[in-house]
Amino acid sequence: EAGVAQSPRYKIIEKRQSVAFWCNPISGHATLYWYQQILGQGPKLLIQFQNNGVVDDSQLPKDRFSAERLKGVDSTLKIQPAKLEDSAVYLCASSPIPGQRNTIYFGEGSWLTVV
Amino acid sequence: GENVEQHPSTLSVQEGDSAVIKCTYSDSASNYFPWYKQELGKRPQLIIDIRSNVGEKKDQRIAVTLNKTAKHFSLHITETQPEDSAVYFCAASRTTSGTYKYIFGTGTRLKVLA
Repeated sequence: EAGVAQSPRYKIIEKRQSVAFWCNPISGHATLYWYQQILGQGPKLLIQFQNNGVVDDSQLPKDRFSAERLKGVDSTLKIQPAKLEDSAVYLCASSPIPGQRNTIYFGEGSWLTVV
Repeated sequence: GENVEQHPSTLSVQEGDSAVIKCTYSDSASNYFPWYKQELGKRPQLIIDIRSNVGEKKDQRIAVTLNKTAKHFSLHITETQPEDSAVYFCAASRTTSGTYKYIFGTGTRLKVLA
């Protein structure tokens, strides 16, 4: 079974620039999550999709972050304009629908450094 | 709001000793509690999980215990080895609106000293 795919793995940008991360979840997984993980901290949920609908985006800084999952499969997370404090690993994850084993599977992450 | 507290933040043990990491959750509707191991630069990997209808689960050297009344659960690693050195995260999950919601702890950095 293929895992959660993310790209790019690493990105360095200057503050006020923009960046986009892509995620392809495990085939058949209805739920897709984007987490922000700052060094030394636990993953913090940014946005959660169920198919192509948003379930929870309460912690997404909507003035600079946006995400979409147009066809209910892969997803893009965008940051514009970036700030120094956005330096983190952006983890994409997916899980099946309730009723199946509710394990969340993570991608390798996209490491962002804002300078 | 809902949160998961995890302690300690760092833990150093001698090789062969046991390690215990504890988490407390606030959402009483949580019914699934996974533990993840994250090695430096790698993705979090599920190592063990427990459901709310079970009090304890064991898999070789690792075990998890759950106290629903007190709303806390713990990870136990026995006979620790250097390769157990990593950051460990707990999480509390519940089903809501036809999907799963996860809240993660802040992580414990485990160092196993040879």
